[in-house]
Amino acid sequence: DAKTTQPNSMESNEEEPVHLPCNHSTISGTDYIHWYRQLPSQGPEYVIHGLTSNVNNRMASLAIAEDRKSSTLILHRATLRDAAVYYCILREYSGGGADGLTFGKGTHLIIQP
Amino acid sequence: DTAVSQTPKYLVTQMGNDKSIKCEQNLGHDTMYWYKQDSKKFLKIMFSYNNKELIINETVPNRFSPKSPDKAHLNLHINSLELGDSAVYFCASAAGQNTEAFFGQGTRLTVV
Repeated sequence: DAKTTQPNSMESNEEEPVHLPCNHSTISGTDYIHWYRQLPSQGPEYVIHGLTSNVNNRMASLAIAEDRKSSTLILHRATLRDAAVYYCILREYSGGGADGLTFGKGTHLIIQP
Repeated sequence: DTAVSQTPKYLVTQMGNDKSIKCEQNLGHDTMYWYKQDSKKFLKIMFSYNNKELIINETVPNRFSPKSPDKAHLNLHINSLELGDSAVYFCASAAGQNTEAFFGQGTRLTVV
C-alpha cells in the first residue's frame, strides 16, 4: 500500500468543524482512500472511503483533491466523542484476494470543550 | 449483538506459557484478520484468513498460529509466550477488500 502522511495531532473546539488532512502523493489509480478512527481503549472503527469523488456519510465527509494526491476528512460538528486517532489508509483494489489495512501513525484529534 | 467479539478481554500470563485468544464474527464475512498493537500504539496486521485459507502471513514468529474452525471464527494460538508479546491484539472481519472492516474490542495480553 502507498504511503500516507498526516499531522501527528490536531486540536479543535467542540461544536466546530474539523478538517483532517492526509497527503498521499504516490497514490496509484487503483488506490482507494480509507479513513478509520480509534477511540481510546477501543478497536479501530471505519469512518469513510472513496476513490475520486467526494463522499458523505452520517459520520463525516471525505474531500478528495482533483489530482488525488491529498484528501481531507471533514467532521462537520465535532463532539467530545470524536476525540480519537484518525488513520488515512490507501488500499489498492486488485479485485480479488484479501489483505489487511496498513496503519500509519495517524492524527491524534483533541477536542476541547 | 456484537459484530466481532473477542475473548478474553484481558489476559495475564507467565513467560513460556501457551495461550489462545478467540474471535467470532456474526456478520457472515468471508475474511478475518488479526492485528497487533504494541506499546507505542502501532497497529500491524499479523494474519488474514479468507474462506478458511491463510492469505497473508506477515513476518510474525511461528509461535503464533491462527486457527479457523469455520468461517465465523479465527482463533489465535501463541506458544512459548515472551515478554515482547505483550500487546493488544485485535480481531477484525470484512466482506471484501474494499469494504469496511469491523474490529473487535481487543485483547490486552500481558506476559510477566
